[in-house]
Amino acid sequence: SAVISQKPSRDICQRGTSLTIQCQVDSQVTMMFWYRQQPGQSLTLIATANQGSEATYESGFVIDKFPISRPNLTFSTLTVSNMSPEDSSIYLCSVDAVHGADTQYFGPGTRLTVL
Amino acid sequence: AQSVTQLGSHVSVSEGALVLLRCNYSSSVPPYLFWYVQYPNQGLQLLLKYTSAATLVKGINGFEAEFKKSETSFHLTKPSAHMSDAAEYFCAVSGVNTGFQKLVFGTGTRLLVSP
Repeated sequence: SAVISQKPSRDICQRGTSLTIQCQVDSQVTMMFWYRQQPGQSLTLIATANQGSEATYESGFVIDKFPISRPNLTFSTLTVSNMSPEDSSIYLCSVDAVHGADTQYFGPGTRLTVL
Repeated sequence: AQSVTQLGSHVSVSEGALVLLRCNYSSSVPPYLFWYVQYPNQGLQLLLKYTSAATLVKGINGFEAEFKKSETSFHLTKPSAHMSDAAEYFCAVSGVNTGFQKLVFGTGTRLLVSP
């Protein structure tokens, strides 16, 4: 399985500001995914990030609010823009398995609190 | 659309007792099914997966799950609970309808283990 790291691990931000979350993988992967886990809730897929193309967003999520970059096969960023307290969540990145595309491995998550 | 339903937001067991966490899926095509565990303040860790091979799947930490097509179920079991098993458990499904890379998660079940 891949080793995935995220920065920052947690942050407290003021409303109206933006935060960029980084996801780094120790090996090249085809697909990277960004999920949101709101307090006490399950995970919801925000978007799929492929290297060299625009991210694909799920219903209810838009690029202006959650711009994503995928500059290479080991790195991606998610920006949470113009934050409000409703954006307080854990944001997790995941990657498809190095050997096979049927399993996702998750990073440790970024715990975001918006005041 | 594919979905999973986890029965019981909380399950309490005594140490040494059987663990049974329930998951039922809805899918018009053969699904891939997963169980993930989330320990406090951590990301998700894959416990086990079913991808159309053996219906009884063994995972890490002594957990196993059985795919029962007739019951559309994929319940997670462990013969003897340990205190260290206390965590949040998520069932997830993917399949050709959503792209095998897209995971749809259940709402989670929190396992409480008492001494």
